[in-house]
Amino acid sequence: EAGVVQSPRYKIIEKKQPVAFWCNPISGHNTLYWYLQNLGQGPELLIRYENEEAVDDSQLPKDRFSAERLKGVDSTLKIQPAELGDSAVYLCASSYRASYNEQFFGPGTRLTVL
Amino acid sequence: QKEVEQNSGPLSVPEGAIASLNCTYSDRVSQSFFWYRQYSGKSPELIMSIYSNGDKEDGRFTAQLNKASQYVSLLIRDSQPSDSATYLCAVRGNNRLAFGKGNQVVVIP
Repeated sequence: EAGVVQSPRYKIIEKKQPVAFWCNPISGHNTLYWYLQNLGQGPELLIRYENEEAVDDSQLPKDRFSAERLKGVDSTLKIQPAELGDSAVYLCASSYRASYNEQFFGPGTRLTVL
Repeated sequence: QKEVEQNSGPLSVPEGAIASLNCTYSDRVSQSFFWYRQYSGKSPELIMSIYSNGDKEDGRFTAQLNKASQYVSLLIRDSQPSDSATYLCAVRGNNRLAFGKGNQVVVIP
């Protein structure tokens, strides 16, 4: 079974530039999560999708962050414009459904904003 | 108060010894508790889950839960160099996982 796929693995951009991350969850997993992980910290939830619906986006900074999961499968997270403080690892995870306890994480995208 | 707290600094243990990690949480209604292992530069990987008070053993790992004290712990017996990683405690509530900042474990051969 293929795991959660994310791309790119690394991204370096200058501040004020836009950036997008892509995630393809495990086949059959209805729930998709985007997390942000700063160095020395645990992952923090940005948004949770149930199929194509964003059911928990209270932690997403909506002034510059947006996300979509149009067909309820893969998802894109965008930052526009990026700020220095956005440098972090962006993790995507999926689970069969929200009430299913195990979440499987992708390898993450390490973003560096210069 | 943070939802999930892991306050210990890096833990160095000799190979073969027991590593003990602790975690406290603030939401009394939390029902599901997890330990994730994260190697440097890698993503978190679930190693233990526990839902009821008491101990749960899986190989060299034992998770302990005390809901009255809002406390979860992880014991790693017979520690191996391959156990060197950061261990994240996570607590589930409202279909959301809250993570602690993690504890780094270094197993010294």
